[in-house]
Amino acid sequence: DAKTTQPNSMESNEEEPVHLPCNHSTISGTDYIHWYRQLPSQGPEYVIHGLTSNVNNRMASLAIAEDRKSSTLILHRATLRDAAVYYCILRLDFGNEKLTFGTGTRLTIIP
Amino acid sequence: EAQVTQNPRYLITVTGKKLTVTCSQNMNHEYMSWYRQDPGLGLRQIYYSMNVEVTDKGDVPEGYKVSRKEKRNFPLILESPSPNQTSLYFCASSGALQTYEQYFGPGTRLTVT
Repeated sequence: DAKTTQPNSMESNEEEPVHLPCNHSTISGTDYIHWYRQLPSQGPEYVIHGLTSNVNNRMASLAIAEDRKSSTLILHRATLRDAAVYYCILRLDFGNEKLTFGTGTRLTIIP
Repeated sequence: EAQVTQNPRYLITVTGKKLTVTCSQNMNHEYMSWYRQDPGLGLRQIYYSMNVEVTDKGDVPEGYKVSRKEKRNFPLILESPSPNQTSLYFCASSGALQTYEQYFGPGTRLTVT
């Protein structure tokens, strides 16, 4: 299975942009890149997903490298509420819809 | 409001005492699944269901059962709980073959003594 690699932790100041990297060098052509986050004491929450082109939604932006071997989740203006563990996930198994979670990046927001 | 609910949220039980954790979604989703989350191991899928009466094993199904008699409900059954099933459990749902958003419940923290 294609795997993702993320830094264990990152810090950012409140109201500044945050760039969360993810490496997925063995990604296949049909793998979608998904990001979820898990706030303290809550279930995971969908953030954004993409295949090849950069994507924007109300929560974040997803920048995908041209070779698709890496991607970056961008929070444009971090708030304290964005402190969470962020997971970069490749959707491999459409028949199952299974999400294979790694260890993610723990994002700390500094007031 | 679109949501996945789980009950109970917290449960302490003893080894061997059968228990059921309920999961319900109000989005008419076909797909539902159960995950457990353990420190250092992340979230791992236990069972999933593609639709009513269609269930299959995930990565860690041993010691668990599920049923899908109605579209909205997907209970997780532990027939004879053991201490190694102490964990945080999440139910999730999504529309069939969607390539994106899955909705997760708030979690059930289970302790088996």
